[in-house]
Amino acid sequence: GNSVTQMEGPVTLSEEAFLTINCTYTATGYPSLFWYVQYPGEGLQLLLKATKADDKGSNKGFEATYRKETTSFHLEKGSVQVSDSAVYFCALRSSDGGATNKLIFGTGTLLAVQP
Amino acid sequence: KAGVTQTPRYLIKTRGQQVTLSCSPISGHRSVSWYQQTPGQGLQFLFEYFSETQRNKGNFPGRFSGRQFSNSRSEMNVSTLELGDSALYLCASSSSSLGTNEKLFFGSGTQLSVL
Repeated sequence: GNSVTQMEGPVTLSEEAFLTINCTYTATGYPSLFWYVQYPGEGLQLLLKATKADDKGSNKGFEATYRKETTSFHLEKGSVQVSDSAVYFCALRSSDGGATNKLIFGTGTLLAVQP
Repeated sequence: KAGVTQTPRYLIKTRGQQVTLSCSPISGHRSVSWYQQTPGQGLQFLFEYFSETQRNKGNFPGRFSGRQFSNSRSEMNVSTLELGDSALYLCASSSSSLGTNEKLFFGSGTQLSVL
């Protein structure tokens, strides 16, 4: 079945450090891939997305490239800020099964950025 | 434009009781999905509604049910509560039925505690 695997957290970085959060997936067909972010006490917000192979999603300095050959969608940011501290979720939407908004999420990675 | 509104924000119940959670999607959104978030299992898909019809369902027991009204508001019900039902229940809405490139907007969730 479809699944998403994320690196375990927490990830603790100093401000202005480089961030990578690994995400790999298993899916049939051509899924769409997403990164969502959850700040404390809030729901999830879409950070970026990619809908086909080699697409690069980007937003607020974060980037992720849809790599079909390695089934990966790693999240990167060149210089993190304290305000980036949150839980990051990798997710996929399968292309099978017709119209659906069903997302399959990874377990989430807690990022803590220290000043 | 108001976001996705979930009520109540917090709920405490005892085992064996039943509970109803409410979700009001963003105005004009016709698709509503529900997710359960727990520390152990992460985010798991419960069900999805579009135009009052359930079009997708996750792997949860029949104690979990939902419905959508003609104004797109949705409710989910859990009967015969168990301790393991303690979780954050998130609702998400989307503007389209296509489900391929659409962004999900999440509410802040209802935190259910079962004692």
